Amino acid sequence: GQQLNQSPQSMFIQEGEDVSMNCTSSSIFNTWLWYKQDPGEGPVLLIALYKAGELTSNGRLTAQFGITRKDSFLNISASIPSDVGIYFCAGRSTARQLTFGSGTQLTVLP
Amino acid sequence: GAGVSQTPSNKVTEKGKYVELRCDPISGHTALYWYRQSLGQGPEFLIYFQGTGAADDSGLPNDRFFAVRPEGSVSTLKIQRTERGDSAVYLCASRSGAADTQYFGPGTRLTVL
Repeated sequence: GQQLNQSPQSMFIQEGEDVSMNCTSSSIFNTWLWYKQDPGEGPVLLIALYKAGELTSNGRLTAQFGITRKDSFLNISASIPSDVGIYFCAGRSTARQLTFGSGTQLTVLP
Repeated sequence: GAGVSQTPSNKVTEKGKYVELRCDPISGHTALYWYRQSLGQGPEFLIYFQGTGAADDSGLPNDRFFAVRPEGSVSTLKIQRTERGDSAVYLCASRSGAADTQYFGPGTRLTVL
């Protein structure tokens, strides 16, 4: 099935550093979402974006909905050990189903 | 419980067998989704229920896969004649009627030997 192009696939960063990841799609989405998944758990919603150009923050997380509606990025500032996990972008079109990216595995080194 | 629950958490079966995976959505949530997540990939949509009916089953890979939600709450994903390629984590999510947010369960890890 269709998946979004998410990059990077994995990241190793030092605690305290900022990190950025992004997603692109050949299709337009009406909503972009960013999820985090810990081992053995389902994805948990971090940020939802509903309008092209929207920039939204949630604590140390900032995400933007691209103007073309075909891309989005997520920034995490001042990373901490509990930020470790897999981050997924997801797009929603007029249908209610979500299309997910392939994930970014984040490792935070002490 | 407060969240989406799925049982069993792990299921190991042999090729050719039939399996059922259960999802208990958040109480009162009218929409229910099934996704399949292969190793190293994001979840892929399988089927979406609005109430008791399947509103969109376009993600089911073939006719060996079937899902029901007879009373508009609990849902069961059924896989006939399992194949090794069916091995994955099967995730369930639910959503309340007016809201956009889907809440995911922990998944069932299916292994077909």
